[in-house]
Amino acid sequence: QKEVEQNSGPLSVPEGAIASLNCTYSDRGSQSFFWYRQYSGKSPELIMFIYSNGDKEDGRFTAQLNKASQYVSLLIRDSQPSDSATYLCAPRAGGSYIPTFGRGTSLIVHP
Amino acid sequence: DTAVSQTPKYLVTQMGNDKSIKCEQNLGHDTMYWYKQDSKKFLKIMFSYNNKELIINETVPNRFSPKSPDKAHLNLHINSLELGDSAVYFCASSLYRDYRTDTQYFGPGTRLTVL
Repeated sequence: QKEVEQNSGPLSVPEGAIASLNCTYSDRGSQSFFWYRQYSGKSPELIMFIYSNGDKEDGRFTAQLNKASQYVSLLIRDSQPSDSATYLCAPRAGGSYIPTFGRGTSLIVHP
Repeated sequence: DTAVSQTPKYLVTQMGNDKSIKCEQNLGHDTMYWYKQDSKKFLKIMFSYNNKELIINETVPNRFSPKSPDKAHLNLHINSLELGDSAVYFCASSLYRDYRTDTQYFGPGTRLTVL
């Protein structure tokens, strides 16, 4: 069974700090990795995706991918209380695939 | 200017009833999905259609029947509702061109409560 592991948290960080969210996956066929944010009572929305090893930056968000280690992370710099949400990791393989999401990490940014 | 819409937003019903949830997307996407998110927030795929063709049918009781009259609509009908069906059901859509960037856009969700 293809698994996606995330620490459920909650991860609590002070405002202005760097929040680091981690995800490991078992399917070596995974090629692309999506990070979705879900506010309480709302639907998931895309933060960013990454499909090349290394770092990808988008504003305060940086995704890091290491396919050899089957590990992807999301860093949020200068964390704001508005970043408080659950962050879902979703690996994606090519061809036909079954969408799989991690259970998500709950992030709390306190003032 | 809603991208993916679902109706109803809330659904409260008795065990044994039959109910439907509707989903529509105006993004011109080819693929639509139904997900179930349980009380532990685990988001699990149920079905997916690509251009009205069923392409994903996960281990879901056959009381659940999806229907896609056209590629902009995907409905979910549930027969003989059970307590364990209580959850939030999300519809989503994607363009399905490049798997590396295939972003899913989610509807607002339908919170189903079975009494």
